[in-house]
Amino acid sequence: RKEVEQDPGPFNVPEGATVAFNCTYSNSASQSFFWYRQDCRKEPKLLMSVYSSGNEDGRFTAQLNRASQYISLLIRDSKLSDSATYLCGQGDAGNMLTFGGGTRLMVKP
Amino acid sequence: DGGITQSPKYLFRKEGQNVTLSCEQNLNHDAMYWYRQDPGQGLRLIYYSQIVNDFQKGDIAEGYSVSREKKESFPLTVTSAQKNPTAFYLCASSTGGDQPQHFGDGTRLSIL
Repeated sequence: RKEVEQDPGPFNVPEGATVAFNCTYSNSASQSFFWYRQDCRKEPKLLMSVYSSGNEDGRFTAQLNRASQYISLLIRDSKLSDSATYLCGQGDAGNMLTFGGGTRLMVKP
Repeated sequence: DGGITQSPKYLFRKEGQNVTLSCEQNLNHDAMYWYRQDPGQGLRLIYYSQIVNDFQKGDIAEGYSVSREKKESFPLTVTSAQKNPTAFYLCASSTGGDQPQHFGDGTRLSIL
């Protein structure tokens, strides 16, 4: 199956900052993308689904760039509680998800 | 409440032993999946099932087996052939198509 790549980080940012990280993918036919948040030693939890150009939910915005084959996640006004690992998942026609290795975010006071 | 239940939370395996991890969902989802996660790594697909009585190998199926006799249940057996079983095992389910997968809270397996 196709690859999904993420910068492992960690991204260290101060509270209140805006941070963005990308996820590159190689399956150009994919129609669905997902961002999951995973806390240490816990299961991934769905943060956002992206089926077209992007999606926004409060402080979180996902943008899909099909020409360059990446999807980004932007977090505005970072909170301490945003510290986690963010996993990108790419869906394929067979309802399979390919996950990136995750990007670790640490928000500091 | 609807959800995915994995048990046990922690499991220890002795040399040469087979162990079975349970995954049950009451979300009426057709598709179910098993992933393995090693420390600091992403998720790797072990097996998946898109319908009852049918399942397919994922990327790292060797040393594992599954069954899907009921829609709600997708147990994973880690056999003695899996020489490095220590990992965090995650079960997921979805309605299929382009819908996201939802995860259980995982089982941590270690070797004694």
